[in-house]
Amino acid sequence: DTAVSQTPKYLVTQMGNDKSIKCEQNLGHDTMYWYKQDSKKFLKIMFSYNNKELIINETVPNRFSPKSPDKAHLNLHINSLELGDSAVYFCASSHGSRSGNTIYFGEGSWLTVV
Amino acid sequence: TQLLEQSPQFLSIQEGENLTVYCNSSSVFSSLQWYRQEPGEGPVLLVTVVTGGEVKKLKRLTFQFGDARKDSSLHITAAQPGDTGLYLCAGGSQGNLIFGKGTKLSVKP
Repeated sequence: DTAVSQTPKYLVTQMGNDKSIKCEQNLGHDTMYWYKQDSKKFLKIMFSYNNKELIINETVPNRFSPKSPDKAHLNLHINSLELGDSAVYFCASSHGSRSGNTIYFGEGSWLTVV
Repeated sequence: TQLLEQSPQFLSIQEGENLTVYCNSSSVFSSLQWYRQEPGEGPVLLVTVVTGGEVKKLKRLTFQFGDARKDSSLHITAAQPGDTGLYLCAGGSQGNLIFGKGTKLSVKP
């Protein structure tokens, strides 16, 4: 069973479109994250939710809006997609929000904006 | 801004060789983690170190956290093709986790 699963794995879309990436974790964790990995493999946190509450919101365009319907889900909606949004987006989860906790990553969603 | 610099950026070696990769910062971290990421997959945690000077071993991998908790190293003994991947260090501070840009390791048979 996949611990952190995200869909879709691959997404190719045109500039200006709106798209969503879904994420679910079955580990019983209370903290979930969205990370972005660019073409140079640099992994950077975008958002962090603890018990459905936003606790980290890094400097990302407000076209990116996370939504957490419950502790096991954290979806990422992106409006008006731009070329620079092309990247791999990783969902992740952990037990607690302390920085030394183990973070479990999903397999990533490859977004290509054309 | 806290930054983690990893070196080397790329490393290609033959099976059986030893190697060390480094993770350095000018900032102090409360903890430091090493992850390995294989193509098409998400990063997987290898180890967490929290005490300055701490050394942890995971089979052929040896991790060290600097005394001042600003740097870390990963040493692999007798590398194998299965060690191939992107090695990422990540420093923890104030509830946030900051990643380095990684070392891409290729071990040729």
